[in-house]
Amino acid sequence: NAGVMQNPRHLVRRRGQEARLRCSPMKGHSHVYWYRQLPEEGLKFMVYLQKENIIDESGMPKERFSAEFPKEGPSILRIQQVVRGDSAAYFCASSPDRQAYEQYFGPGTRLTVT
Amino acid sequence: AQSVSQHNHHVILSEAASLELGCNYSYGGTVNLFWYVQYPGQHLQLLLKYFSGDPLVKGIKGFEAEFIKSKFSFNLRKPSVQWSDTAEYFCAVNADNAGNMLTFGGGTRLMVKP
Repeated sequence: NAGVMQNPRHLVRRRGQEARLRCSPMKGHSHVYWYRQLPEEGLKFMVYLQKENIIDESGMPKERFSAEFPKEGPSILRIQQVVRGDSAAYFCASSPDRQAYEQYFGPGTRLTVT
Repeated sequence: AQSVSQHNHHVILSEAASLELGCNYSYGGTVNLFWYVQYPGQHLQLLLKYFSGDPLVKGIKGFEAEFIKSKFSFNLRKPSVQWSDTAEYFCAVNADNAGNMLTFGGGTRLMVKP
């Protein structure tokens, strides 16, 4: 049973470019969460999605960041016009249903903005 | 908003020493509590969790944690560490007013010297 998959594992972007991070949840999981880990800090919640729905985006920056989880395919975290401060590790987690508080994490995508 | 504090950012121990990592949270309501571990180059893995019942929780690899409600604490312990326990450890809390969101502490980097 494959775990949570994230790609790419490492992504380098120049300032002003767009970054697209992908997350495929565990088989049978329909809930996806995105977290960001800035250097020397813990993980911070960004957004919680179910298929075709954003359930909670209270942790998402108001501008440049968006997330989706389409009916088919992986969840995408999109960062437009990246800045150096966006450099971080972005982790995706999944759970089987809304009541399952245990989340299974992917390996993360390390974004570096030059 | 709830917060989670891990007081020790870096811990260095020799093999066979006992380990206790502190975790305190700030929310007064019902919580679910977790400890995750991130080994070098790997993704976060769940060590143990507390939802309800016996406040002393046993996890994988000989780890345990004790929930003390009056102290808002969920400290992680292991009687005798091994070199392979070298990793970063994260405490996380899910509060009953926060949906499925996990709030993480800043992490503790443990180095075990052989």
